[in-house]
Amino acid sequence: AQRVTQPEKLLSVFKGAPVELKCNYSYSGSPELFWYVQYSRQRLQLLLRHISRESIKGFTADLNKGETSFHLKKPFAQEEDSAMYYCALYAPMDSNYQLIWGAGTKLIIKP
Amino acid sequence: EADIYQTPRYLVIGTGKKITLECSQTMGHDKMYWYQQDPGMELHLIHYSYGVNSTEKGDLSSESTVSRIRTEHFPLTLESARPSHTSQYLCASSEQKRQGAGETQYFGPGTRLLVL
Repeated sequence: AQRVTQPEKLLSVFKGAPVELKCNYSYSGSPELFWYVQYSRQRLQLLLRHISRESIKGFTADLNKGETSFHLKKPFAQEEDSAMYYCALYAPMDSNYQLIWGAGTKLIIKP
Repeated sequence: EADIYQTPRYLVIGTGKKITLECSQTMGHDKMYWYQQDPGMELHLIHYSYGVNSTEKGDLSSESTVSRIRTEHFPLTLESARPSHTSQYLCASSEQKRQGAGETQYFGPGTRLLVL
């Protein structure tokens, strides 16, 4: 069955250090993957999607089909990156496509 | 301004009461969704709609019901609230694209529900 796994519930790094939030997926088809972010007291919003191949707020994510991963990376963390991050897979469930969400990783950037 | 609105933002209610959580969007989107999210946990899809008069249940079993009489409006109703319904409820919308092409979902601010 389709599934998204974010193995870390909490990730804490110092400002300026590299950040990697892990996401693994289980899906036999061609995946379409997303990262959403929720800053404190703000709405859940799209951060980036793999088909766009863009960098948003310094974050990038590369789809690795061999490892079935879509890890989110940033070379130098900033305090404003502290947030909840969700990985999501767009895949068929029953007869319709929908987003399948990971459990989320809370990222804390220490000053 | 294009946006997604949810009311109320917070609701404390007693067991057995009927409640309706409102969601409206001025995004011009056909697809709308209701998610349930406990703090720090993943989102669970409870209902979705592809357009007027279209509603489907999501992967999370829910005692709630929804309706889609107007494109912009997608209310969620609990006929008899229970403490187990205590959670955050998120409404979202997206454009209709071809089947299999993932659309960006836009989220409302959420409703935090506490059932005593």
